[in-house]
Amino acid sequence: NAGVTQTPKFRILKIGQSMTLQCTQDMNHNYMYWYRQDPGMGLKLIYYSVGAGITDKGEVPNGYNVSRSTTEDFPLRLELAAPSQTSVYFCASRTGGTGGSHEQYFGPGTRLTVT
Amino acid sequence: AQSVTQLGSHVSVSEGALVLLRCNYSSSVPPYLFWYVQYPNQGLQLLLKYTSAATLVKGINGFEAEFKKSETSFHLTKPSAHMSDAAEYFCAVSLDTGRRALTFGSGTRLQVQP
Repeated sequence: NAGVTQTPKFRILKIGQSMTLQCTQDMNHNYMYWYRQDPGMGLKLIYYSVGAGITDKGEVPNGYNVSRSTTEDFPLRLELAAPSQTSVYFCASRTGGTGGSHEQYFGPGTRLTVT
Repeated sequence: AQSVTQLGSHVSVSEGALVLLRCNYSSSVPPYLFWYVQYPNQGLQLLLKYTSAATLVKGINGFEAEFKKSETSFHLTKPSAHMSDAAEYFCAVSLDTGRRALTFGSGTRLQVQP
């Protein structure tokens, strides 16, 4: 059972370039999330999805886009990369339904540098 | 809206000493609370979670946390620190509605001195 996988692990982008961060989970979870972690800070929610075809903005969505065409995949698209997007990006998933105690499972992260 | 405050961005203890990492939350409805650990260059691993079943929650690696509603706190403790406990620890809160996303504190880096 692979859990949540993310690719790539590391990436360096030039200002203005675009890229897609991939996230896949094999646990049949409905809810998926993208967070970013800046140095010395906790994680902040970028986008989330409650099921295939349904996405919504989190706290810091500017400069990003997402799609959710399947239950398994939740890619994060960066358009026109900026230095402020230098961060570590984590994808997470959890089962749906009531019961807030359901834990989120995190991927290993993608470390992105924009120069 | 909910929020989490972790007091102390860095905590240093001696090996064998008590570990106490502080977390206070703010929530308009009963929250669900979590502690995650992050080792260098790795993802987040769940240590323990408060599910409203018991106020004292035991987790992995000898950690435990106590939910105190009157103090809006969920402090993490371990009786005896081990060198392998050196990591970053995050307290997080979620609600049982809407996005069900986690709201994180800013983290506490634990150093364990030999």
